[in-house]
Amino acid sequence: GAVVSQHPSWVICKSGTSVKIECRSLDFQATTMFWYRQFPKQSLMLMATSNEGSKATYEQGVEKDKFLINHASLTLSTLTVTSAHPEDSSFYICSAQTGKRQPQHFGDGTRLSIL
Amino acid sequence: AQTVTQSQPEMSVQEAETVTLSCTYDTSESDYYLFWYKQPPSRQMILVIRQEAYKQQNATENRFSVNFQKAAKSFSLKISDSQLGDAAMYFCAYNSNQFYFGTGTSLTVIP
Repeated sequence: GAVVSQHPSWVICKSGTSVKIECRSLDFQATTMFWYRQFPKQSLMLMATSNEGSKATYEQGVEKDKFLINHASLTLSTLTVTSAHPEDSSFYICSAQTGKRQPQHFGDGTRLSIL
Repeated sequence: AQTVTQSQPEMSVQEAETVTLSCTYDTSESDYYLFWYKQPPSRQMILVIRQEAYKQQNATENRFSVNFQKAAKSFSLKISDSQLGDAAMYFCAYNSNQFYFGTGTSLTVIP
C-alpha cells in the first residue's frame, strides 16, 4: 500500500520551456503533498507543501511564479517549472501524507535537465 | 526549532556484519514520530522503519531495528547481517506536524 507515482522520471528540454511533473497517490487519499528538490549527495530541500483545494505554502527562497503547484484533488498534485533554465536542472521528488503524524510516501523522482 | 543531526556523513560495513547509524534531534515536543528512510542509487526514497515517541519499545523490521532513547533525543538505526543491497543514503526524519530530515549517511557495504 501507500504507492505514489511520479511522472515523468526524466525530462530533457530546451531552456525557456515549461515542464509539468505529476504526482499521484495511487491507493490512498493524500491530505498533504510535498515537493522537494535534491542536489547530488545532499538531503531533501523542501520547496512547498500543498493541501487539496488550497494554495501551496512555499518555503523561503522558492519562487512561486517559477514553480507553480496545483493540488486539484486528494490524489493528484502537479509541479510546473515555468520558463526553465539550466540552473533549474535538478532532481525533483514528491511525497504524499495521509495525516500530519503519518510517514511521507515518496514518488520515484524526476530528473530534470535543461539544455 | 526542531533539528535533526546525522553526525556520520559516511559509514562502511562488511557484508554480513552489523552497523549502527546515528541520529539525534532537538525538540520540545513530547509527542512525535521518527523515521528512517533509505535512498539507494536509484534515488527512490524508501521508508525503512518508524517509531512513535510515546512507545518505549524499540521498533524492529526484520534486519532493521532502532535504539530510541527519548531522554537523550537519540534515534539510531541498526542494520544486522548487512547485505550488498543495503548500500544507500540513509536519512533520519522527525515529524510533529512538520517533517525535518537529517543530512544523511552514505552507507557502503563491502563484499
